[in-house]
Amino acid sequence: NAGVTQTPKFRVLKTGQSMTLLCAQDMNHEYMYWYRQDPGMGLRLIHYSVGEGTTAKGEVPDGYNVSRLKKQNFLLGLESAAPSQTSVYFCASSYYSGRGHEQYFGPGTRLTVT
Amino acid sequence: AQSVAQPEDQVNVAEGNPLTVKCTYSVSGNPYLFWYVQYPNRGLQFLLKYITGDNLVKGSYGFEAEFNKSQTSFHLKKPSALVSDSALYFCAVSNIQGGKLIFGQGTELSVKP
Repeated sequence: NAGVTQTPKFRVLKTGQSMTLLCAQDMNHEYMYWYRQDPGMGLRLIHYSVGEGTTAKGEVPDGYNVSRLKKQNFLLGLESAAPSQTSVYFCASSYYSGRGHEQYFGPGTRLTVT
Repeated sequence: AQSVAQPEDQVNVAEGNPLTVKCTYSVSGNPYLFWYVQYPNRGLQFLLKYITGDNLVKGSYGFEAEFNKSQTSFHLKKPSALVSDSALYFCAVSNIQGGKLIFGQGTELSVKP
């Protein structure tokens, strides 16, 4: 049981390049999330999904797109990377138990845009 | 709108002393409150949560948190700090409708021998 995994762990992009971050979970969770973490700002929600085939915008969605074609995978895309997207990206998944959600986080992807 | 505030960027404690990491929140309706810990270069790990019931919630690694509805606070506590508790701690809130979490900015806990 690997939990939540993220690929890649590190990446350096030049301004204008595109890339896709992959998140996979093996816990059969319905909900998945993408966050970015910046110093002094905590984690901010980029996009999330409440089930296969659905996506929704979070707090900071601009410049990102997502897809949830399979229940276990949640992809985050950057179409044209900008230096402001330099950050650490975390994926999480959760299910609703009747006592709220408990999110399980991946190890993160450190992205640098030059 | 939901929000979380962690008023201290850093908390310094001597090993063996009690520790408190503060959190206040604002949410419409009943809050679901969480504490997560992040060790260097790692993802976030769940510590504890408050949904309903007892105001004192016990979690992992000897941590506990006290929910205070009148003060809209959810402070994290531990009776005796360990050097290994040194990490970044995040408070988070969500509402009953969905799983989206709003995080505070984090508090760096440093425990010295």
